[in-house]
Amino acid sequence: EAQVTQNPRYLITVTGKKLTVTCSQNMNHEYMSWYRQDPGLGLRQIYYSMNVEVTDKGDVPEGYKVSRKEKRNFPLILESPSPNQTSLYFCASSPRRAGNNEQFFGPGTRLTVL
Amino acid sequence: DQQVKQNSPSLSVQEGRISILNCDYTNSMFDYFLWYKKYPAEGPTFLISISSIKDKNEDGRFTVFLNKSAKHLSLHIVPSQPGDSAVYFCAAPDYGKLTFGQGTILTVHP
Repeated sequence: EAQVTQNPRYLITVTGKKLTVTCSQNMNHEYMSWYRQDPGLGLRQIYYSMNVEVTDKGDVPEGYKVSRKEKRNFPLILESPSPNQTSLYFCASSPRRAGNNEQFFGPGTRLTVL
Repeated sequence: DQQVKQNSPSLSVQEGRISILNCDYTNSMFDYFLWYKKYPAEGPTFLISISSIKDKNEDGRFTVFLNKSAKHLSLHIVPSQPGDSAVYFCAAPDYGKLTFGQGTILTVHP
């Protein structure tokens, strides 16, 4: 089944404890992206990647890192999480490099930073 | 600076009637727009899109209208069904970046 998977789905952690949220897609998509969803703010893009080893900042990259070492995986790294990073996170992928086509989203990861 | 705005946080409609969801944008360079639908506990799913060379795109019960001079687009759902109850986001790409609106919660009452 074609899908985007994220792990973990739920995570409660404490301030400053490094964490990684994994994202994997099995559709051989070139484009991948991370978003956070917050009440009243909609979805905001954190980072995106148009291809392996190519990553770019979205609108809210501060406090996050990403890597794209292989096509199928795009992990989101929080080196020193803070409470303002408590949010619902979505990973997405798309078949072509440009952003103007349908993106397929994962089920989301709900992160709480205490 | 919110380049894509959905000014109505929520909309309530009776089953069978029309739902109209609105979206405004400020960046005149945007030339493609997408609508996504999101149910609770799921990721967003693509619904319909429109290129700036068109002013209307239709897919079954869903129609998106684009008014470039007003920098405004709207999503029409006719007839509305209870299963349409969800959060709807409009979005605009700028090459690799994708900017979403704040979302509108649609509730369709039986």
